[in-house]
Amino acid sequence: QLQLQESGPGLVKTSETLSLTCSVSGDSIRRSVEYWVWIRQPPGKGLEWIGSIHFSGSSYYNPSLKSRVTMSVDTSKNELSLKLTSVTAADTAVYYCARVGEYSSSSIDQWGQGTLVTVSS
Amino acid sequence: QSVLTQPPSVSGAPGQRVTISCTGSSSNIGAGYDVNWYQQLPGAAPKLLIYGNTYRPSGVPDRFSGSKSGTSASLAISGLQAGDGADYYCQSFDSSLSASVFGGGTKLTVL
Repeated sequence: QLQLQESGPGLVKTSETLSLTCSVSGDSIRRSVEYWVWIRQPPGKGLEWIGSIHFSGSSYYNPSLKSRVTMSVDTSKNELSLKLTSVTAADTAVYYCARVGEYSSSSIDQWGQGTLVTVSS
Repeated sequence: QSVLTQPPSVSGAPGQRVTISCTGSSSNIGAGYDVNWYQQLPGAAPKLLIYGNTYRPSGVPDRFSGSKSGTSASLAISGLQAGDGADYYCQSFDSSLSASVFGGGTKLTVL
């Protein structure tokens, strides 16, 4: 049974870098059919796709965040990571890591529980 | 302002059927990109409900069904149950944005 667990600081200061890790268990991150994604949800608001990454390293970012986002994969640890630079209060959200590919090339079939990151000065 | 437009809320009595619309444009749904639907119960992560416009993942009851026509898609829920009260989101890909996009979400209230 695939499990995804996000971890990282719950509080980040304005203008600093948000760094999160997603530990993947129950499946190898190297399965070629899958992409791994980061999604975020501001409190009380809707979902926003941050970006997608394949274990090969190929990645695609939301153009609205592209200048500030870096995603990476550590296959030896079966982990994903997300870095978002120069954060503001608008980046306060629950951040989810998730898997795409079990059913179709676009549907997100497994989600982590999410982790709340608050940006404050 | 979401690229995919959903009604903010819908409601229905137990046993009834409700539909949730997702309206896009020629650069996303109308361009032939698949629509996926997610259910988010209060305090939980979203869950895949419908993929590829009409298909249900294993374990999703057949009370949930999806359809797509032109630049719009719909999620139908029949035989409403109290436990169906949740937020529902549609998702597709937008070629002009080169991004996966979500609808703004619809809150379903079971009366």
